[in-house]
Amino acid sequence: AQSVAQPEDQVNVAEGNPLTVKCTYSVSGNPYLFWYVQYPNRGLQFLLKYITGDNLVKGSYGFEAEFNKSQTSFHLKKPSALVSDSALYFCAGGTHTDKLIFGTGTRLQVFP
Amino acid sequence: AAGVIQSPRHLIKEKRETATLKCYPIPRHDTVYWYQQGPGQDPQFLISFYEKMQSDKGSIPDRFSAQQFSDYHSELNMSSLELGDSALYFCASSLVQGANTIYFGEGSWLTVV
Repeated sequence: AQSVAQPEDQVNVAEGNPLTVKCTYSVSGNPYLFWYVQYPNRGLQFLLKYITGDNLVKGSYGFEAEFNKSQTSFHLKKPSALVSDSALYFCAGGTHTDKLIFGTGTRLQVFP
Repeated sequence: AAGVIQSPRHLIKEKRETATLKCYPIPRHDTVYWYQQGPGQDPQFLISFYEKMQSDKGSIPDRFSAQQFSDYHSELNMSSLELGDSALYFCASSLVQGANTIYFGEGSWLTVV
C-alpha cells in the first residue's frame, strides 16, 4: 500500500534560521510528490511538486524540496524562515492519475 | 487565475439530515477529488471522478454518494448525517493529461449537531 510519512508533529525554528520539514514516501512506480500548506481554517495551498527531472524543486514563497530516491524522501526546506511561515504543512504522494495520499501533517512554528 | 470553488463554505445540519456539497473545478480540469479532513487530522480521500466517471473510491461511507456532471462540477451528497461526519470537506481538481498539479478548494465546513 502506498503511504506518506511525516515523522515530526511539530517543528520549531527561529525566524531567519533555515527550516526543514521531513517527509518520506512509499509509492510504487514513479512517485508524484507534493507539498501543501494549510493556514488555520483555510484550504490546502499548493507549494511545490516533484514529478520528474531535477531532484531539487523550487516552489512558492521561497520553499524548495529535494527528492531523494535512495532515501525515499522529499524534505521541504527554506533557507530563512519567516514568522508568517507558521502553518500546518502536508506532504502528499501518489502516481500519475492516482489520488493523493497525505502525511499526517507537521506544524511549523517560527518564533520571532 | 480561477481556483476550485466550493459551496457552501459553512453548513450546519442536524443528525439524520441530508447535506449536499458542490464543487466547481478549475476550468478545463478533467478530474475531481473529494477529501474529508476531521479536526486535527490529515485529509482522507473519499472519491474521485475523471471525465464524469468514477475513477477511484476511498473511505467513503455508503451513506455518501457523489457524481460529476456534464459541466464537470461535482456534488457530494451525504445522507443520514452523524455527529462524526462533522469535518472540513475538500474538493480538488487536476488535469490528468497536463502537469497534473492537484489544486484544492477552500473547503466546506460541515457541522452536524
